[in-house]
Amino acid sequence: DGGITQSPKYLFRKEGQNVTLSCEQNLNHDAMYWYRQDPGQGLRLIYYSQIVNDFQKGDIAEGYSVSREKKESFPLTVTSAQKNPTAFYLCATQRLAGGPGANVLTFGAGSRLTVL
Amino acid sequence: DAKTTQPPSMDCAEGRAANLPCNHSTISGNEYVYWYRQIHSQGPQYIIHGLKNNETNEMASLIITEDRKSSTLILPHATLRDTAVYYCIVNRDSWGKFQFGAGTQVVVTP
Repeated sequence: DGGITQSPKYLFRKEGQNVTLSCEQNLNHDAMYWYRQDPGQGLRLIYYSQIVNDFQKGDIAEGYSVSREKKESFPLTVTSAQKNPTAFYLCATQRLAGGPGANVLTFGAGSRLTVL
Repeated sequence: DAKTTQPPSMDCAEGRAANLPCNHSTISGNEYVYWYRQIHSQGPQYIIHGLKNNETNEMASLIITEDRKSSTLILPHATLRDTAVYYCIVNRDSWGKFQFGAGTQVVVTP
């Protein structure tokens, strides 16, 4: 079953704790992204990665960290430095080669983080 | 990257066509127009994209004006399942970052 798996779907944590959200894909897509969405708002870009072992900050990277050790995986850590971490987090992938469907973003189902 | 302007909300009757406008007056020659939609609490779903020609697929049609400063997404026969937030995005690079605005909340009513 091809696609993007985000886990956990729901996560509750105490303030000050680091949490890691998982994003795994078997689409063989090159690029991977993390977005954050607050209620009633659009998506804001946190981090993105085009290739293994390389990633770039998006618009709201402060308080977050990522790694890209494998093409299939792009975990996001929400650190205690993130002032307001409660949000809906979305992972997306993108095939960069040419041809039909290239460059289109494919999204996972999301992870909802609530910090108590 | 060019910015887009969309109405915050619109209603549509079930079975009728839904026409969703998007303004992108500062679009560059190599920027594509993409449309996505997001059903509540799900990940966004790709709908369609185009550069300057009108495009159609099984989900929708995309009409881009000749000057490329605006576009319209057409859902030909809206159903209740089309209730969602619709995002219009212009993307500069061949792979570039997708910047999502607030979108248009479309509510399809029986």
